[in-house]
Amino acid sequence: GENVEQHPSTLSVQEGDSAVIKCTYSDSASNYFPWYKQELGKGPQLIIDIRSNVGEKKDQRIAVTLNKTAKHFSLHITETQPEDSAVYFCAAGSGNTPLVFGKGTRLSVIA
Amino acid sequence: NAGVMQNPRHLVRRRGQEARLRCSPMKGHSHVYWYRQLPEEGLKFMVYLQKENIIDESGMPKERFSAEFPKEGPSILRIQQVVRGDSAAYFCASSPGSSSAGELFFGEGSRLTVL
Repeated sequence: GENVEQHPSTLSVQEGDSAVIKCTYSDSASNYFPWYKQELGKGPQLIIDIRSNVGEKKDQRIAVTLNKTAKHFSLHITETQPEDSAVYFCAAGSGNTPLVFGKGTRLSVIA
Repeated sequence: NAGVMQNPRHLVRRRGQEARLRCSPMKGHSHVYWYRQLPEEGLKFMVYLQKENIIDESGMPKERFSAEFPKEGPSILRIQQVVRGDSAAYFCASSPGSSSAGELFFGEGSRLTVL
């Protein structure tokens, strides 16, 4: 089955700097790669996703890149703000198989 | 349009008791997923259901755990004879189709504490 590795587990950045979180996956059949943000005491919320037919997708300060050959994808947050502080999860899946999540990255943005 | 509703939000049980967690998916969603989250861990898939059917229960322990999604009413995750290791946050998510076809909408979670 699919296995998703996520790094780093914790990340601290100064406000205004960029943050990058990386994930690798094992199943070459995976074709859907979402990123979720989880704030304290809340459920995860989708912030951006990418499918295997594109290499990059951007939404304001957030971007995701996908390298199918290397089986890795990354989340980039630019101009970080304190409200970006949360736990971020990557996930991978395909067809009718349930999404497999990484272990999460705790991002702290220091004002 | 209400989101995914889970209850109870917090549940305390003593070892050996039963825990029942309920999940009402978003309106129009017929696919429900249950995930378990341990402290400082990711989301571990447990079970995937459509109305009246279990599609994939590969992540759910064979003993003590069961799930259902009846034709009417919420999906229920049931844990019998709870043990301390069952303490975790249990998240339900719903989607209109299979999870890898699009966004999963998560509830706020049910936090189970076993004393």
